[in-house]
Amino acid sequence: DTAVSQTPKYLVTQMGNDKSIKCEQNLGHDTMYWYKQDSKKFLKIMFSYNNKELIINETVPNRFSPKSPDKAHLNLHINSLELGDSAVYFCASSQGPLGGDTQYFGPGTRLTVL
Amino acid sequence: AQSVTQLGSHVSVSEGALVLLRCNYSSSVPPYLFWYVQYPNQGLQLLLKYTSAATLVKGINGFEAEFKKSETSFHLTKPSAHMSDAAEYFCAVSPNTGGFKTIFGAGTRLFVKA
Repeated sequence: DTAVSQTPKYLVTQMGNDKSIKCEQNLGHDTMYWYKQDSKKFLKIMFSYNNKELIINETVPNRFSPKSPDKAHLNLHINSLELGDSAVYFCASSQGPLGGDTQYFGPGTRLTVL
Repeated sequence: AQSVTQLGSHVSVSEGALVLLRCNYSSSVPPYLFWYVQYPNQGLQLLLKYTSAATLVKGINGFEAEFKKSETSFHLTKPSAHMSDAAEYFCAVSPNTGGFKTIFGAGTRLFVKA
C-alpha cells in the first residue's frame, strides 16, 4: 500500500491555465505539507496543515491555494500558471507538527508549464 | 533562525570506498537533525534522525551520522559504498523548542563509480 500518493505524476500545461494536484496519505497522520523542488533540487516548504488547519504559509504567490478537506487529503490548486511554476511538487505527511517528527514524502508531481 | 549547509553539491566515490557527506547547522540550541535520501524520480525517504538521544545515530542501508555540538555538524558516513547508494542526499534541521518548519539543505549528489 502506498503511504503518501499524489496525482497526477506528470502535468504539462500552458501558461495561464489552472491546475490541481491531489495528495492522500493512509498513515493516519495529522500533519501534511506541500514542498516545491526546483531544477537544482532545492526543496522549499510552501504550506503545512495540521488537523485541517493551516499552520505554515510561506511566501508563496496567492495563485497557489491549498485545501485540506480532511486529515488524509491535501490538495494544491494553482491559478494562472506561469513558466516559473515549473518544478516538482512533493506532498508529505508526519504524525504531528513537532520538529522531531519524520516526514513521509509522496513520489512527486512534475509540473511543466509551456 | 535555523539553517543547514551541505558542503559539496557533488561527491564521487568508488564502490567499496568510504562515503562522507558533510552537513553543518546553525541553531541557538541543539535542534532535531535529519538525513533524507532521494533516488531518481522518487520522493525523499528518511535515512536517520537525531533527536537528542545518542549522538551516534544509525540509519538504514548501513548509514550513520554523528552529532557534534562543538562543531555544529551532523556528517553522514557509510564505510563501504554500493552502486545502489547513488542518489541525492539532504540534510535537514527543525526546531525542538516549538515551531513546525523543517529546513532542508541544498542536497549532495552522490556518484558511485564501479
